[in-house]
Amino acid sequence: SQQGEEDPQALSIQEGENATMNCSYKTSINNLQWYRQNSGRGLVHLILIRSNEREKHSGRLRVTLDTSKKSSSLLITASRAADTASYFCAITGANNLFFGTGTRLTVIP
Amino acid sequence: DTGVSQDPRHKITKRGQNVTFRCDPISEHNRLYWYRQTLGQGPEFLTYFQNEAQLEKSRLLSDRFSAERPKGSFSTLEIQRTEQGDSAMYLCASSPNTRGLSGNTIYFGEGSWLTVV
Repeated sequence: SQQGEEDPQALSIQEGENATMNCSYKTSINNLQWYRQNSGRGLVHLILIRSNEREKHSGRLRVTLDTSKKSSSLLITASRAADTASYFCAITGANNLFFGTGTRLTVIP
Repeated sequence: DTGVSQDPRHKITKRGQNVTFRCDPISEHNRLYWYRQTLGQGPEFLTYFQNEAQLEKSRLLSDRFSAERPKGSFSTLEIQRTEQGDSAMYLCASSPNTRGLSGNTIYFGEGSWLTVV
C-alpha cells in the first residue's frame, strides 16, 4: 500500500502546547505532503517535503522526514484553538496522492 | 476567488436517483482530480484528467460513476442509480503540472456532500 498512516488517531492538547503527529509509509517516495482539513471542509495544503530534505518549516509548522525509517512528523508549536482540525499526510504517487486516515487534533482553549 | 469551486456543496437524494457534481478547477490547471471521502477516513482517489483526457480511474469508480472534462476546463462527476453506500463527500482538486506530481501541490475544493436516503 502506498498510503501513509498517521499516528495518533486523535490528539487533545491545551492551547499553547505543542502538537506532534507522525506518519509512516511503506514505499519509497519522491515527496510527502501534509494537509489540514477542518470539519466538513476541503483539504488545505500545509507543507511539501521532498525525499532529499530532512526538515522544513512554515510559520509554526515544522515537518521532518526520515526516509531510512519511512516516517515523517508534523509539529505545530504554540497551538491555538483554531488549529483544531484533522491532519493528513499524503504520499505522492505518479498521478495522485495517497492519504491515510488522519490525526484528529483538538486544541482546548 | 480563483480556488477550486465545487457545486452543489450539499445534495440529498433518494436511492436510485442520479446525481451530478460540477468542479471548476483553478484557471490554467491542466490536471483535475476527483476523490471520495467518508467519515473518519482520508480521501480516496477516484480518477484524474490531464486536460480533457481521463488518464486514470480507480477500481472504486464503478460503472455507475462517470466523469467528464469535455473542454479541459470544468469537470462533472455523475453517479447513476445512487446507493446508500455512495453517501460521502466528493472532493475535486487541481494541479498545474503536466509531468507528474513530483514537487507539485494539489489544491482541493470544499467538496460536495452527498447523502443518499
